[in-house]
Amino acid sequence: NAGVTQTPKFQVLKTGQSMTLQCAQDMNHNSMYWYRQDPGMGLRLIYYSASEGTTDKGEVPNGYNVSRLNKREFSLRLESAAPSQTSVYFCASSDVIVQLFFGEGSRLTVL
Amino acid sequence: GIQVEQSPPDLILQEGANSTLRCNFSDSVNNLQWFHQNPWGQLINLFYIPSGTKQNGRLSATTVATERYSLLYISSSQTTDSGVYFCAVARGTSGSRLTFGEGTQLTVNP
Repeated sequence: NAGVTQTPKFQVLKTGQSMTLQCAQDMNHNSMYWYRQDPGMGLRLIYYSASEGTTDKGEVPNGYNVSRLNKREFSLRLESAAPSQTSVYFCASSDVIVQLFFGEGSRLTVL
Repeated sequence: GIQVEQSPPDLILQEGANSTLRCNFSDSVNNLQWFHQNPWGQLINLFYIPSGTKQNGRLSATTVATERYSLLYISSSQTTDSGVYFCAVARGTSGSRLTFGEGTQLTVNP
């Protein structure tokens, strides 16, 4: 049972480049989330999807877009990367009792 | 929004020692979870515990919702317990509203 899988694990971008972080879960969860983790800032919610076909902004959505491709997959896109988006990104999913399960994280550096 | 304070911010133990980590929150909640982030960065869900007490091996957690705090107990600590422990809370059951504390950095020395 793989749980929540994120790709890529590491990525280096130049300012202005675009990229998509992919996330897939095999636990048949309805809800999926994207967080970023920065030193001294804890975990902050970027976007979430309560169910297939819906997405909503979290605490720090600016500069990001998301797509809930199907029940399993939830992608995060940076259209024009900025150095302030250097961070570790975590995808998570939850069941009806809202216990979160995280992927292994994706470390992104924007130069 | 809800404020979450975790204490202590840092804790250093010798292997075999017991410890208690605390999470205080500023408003009533009905969703509280504890997570462990290991030194490799992986986040593991330890407990979903909006109230009451749960135990899982050497770890146990107690939430007193009426007094707005939760405690995580680690007994007979091992070096593999090292990492950061996060508490996260929400008023509703929706995961979208979880607020994370800043964590307790635990180091267990052999």
